[in-house]
Amino acid sequence: DVKVTQSSRYLVKRTGEKVFLECVQDMDHENMFWYRQDPGLGLRLIYFSYDVKMKEKGDIPEGYSVSREKKERFSLILESASTNQTSMYLCASSFLGLNTEAFFGQGTRLTVV
Amino acid sequence: DQQVKQNSPSLSVQEGRISILNCDYTNSMFDYFLWYKKYPAEGPTFLISISSIKDKNEDGRFTVFLNKSAKHLSLHIVPSQPGDSAVYFCAAESSGDKLTFGTGTRLAVRP
Repeated sequence: DVKVTQSSRYLVKRTGEKVFLECVQDMDHENMFWYRQDPGLGLRLIYFSYDVKMKEKGDIPEGYSVSREKKERFSLILESASTNQTSMYLCASSFLGLNTEAFFGQGTRLTVV
Repeated sequence: DQQVKQNSPSLSVQEGRISILNCDYTNSMFDYFLWYKKYPAEGPTFLISISSIKDKNEDGRFTVFLNKSAKHLSLHIVPSQPGDSAVYFCAAESSGDKLTFGTGTRLAVRP
């Protein structure tokens, strides 16, 4: 069974704090992704990575950065959290190649106060 | 620019009847389409997919139809069950690139 694990289910942080969201997958997937889900907006891609130490901006990268030091781990960093970053954050992974589905973690509900 | 659109934010269906969820896309380069199901406080789970070389794919109670000329796909669930109540997202990709998701449709199946 594919397992994508996010370090926290719920987080509450203060405005201006630096926030780390961690994601680990156990299927040796090359691709890893960070999405956020907001009502009426669906899933929007923040950043993704095709390989270790490699990253690509998604559709909404502003205010975020990522780190991929090991193949199985992909971290999302909010450099200075703001209230408009309150959201559900979803990590996903997939094999590199055509016609492969992505597997998601359980999500992290982040509230910035 | 929303490349994948789900124009119905919600749908309510009687148990045992058919549920039809729709999805439209604008990017003609998309060649692989997927449906995901999401329960509250959980991550999305993969449901069914279809390649652009096909027009139909079936898996048990779930069938996905693709109309390339209309840039439209739909998910049929027959018969609908209360456990199918969830948010359904369609997604599309081009040549193994990243997935682009729609905004989701919340399905409620009434007992």
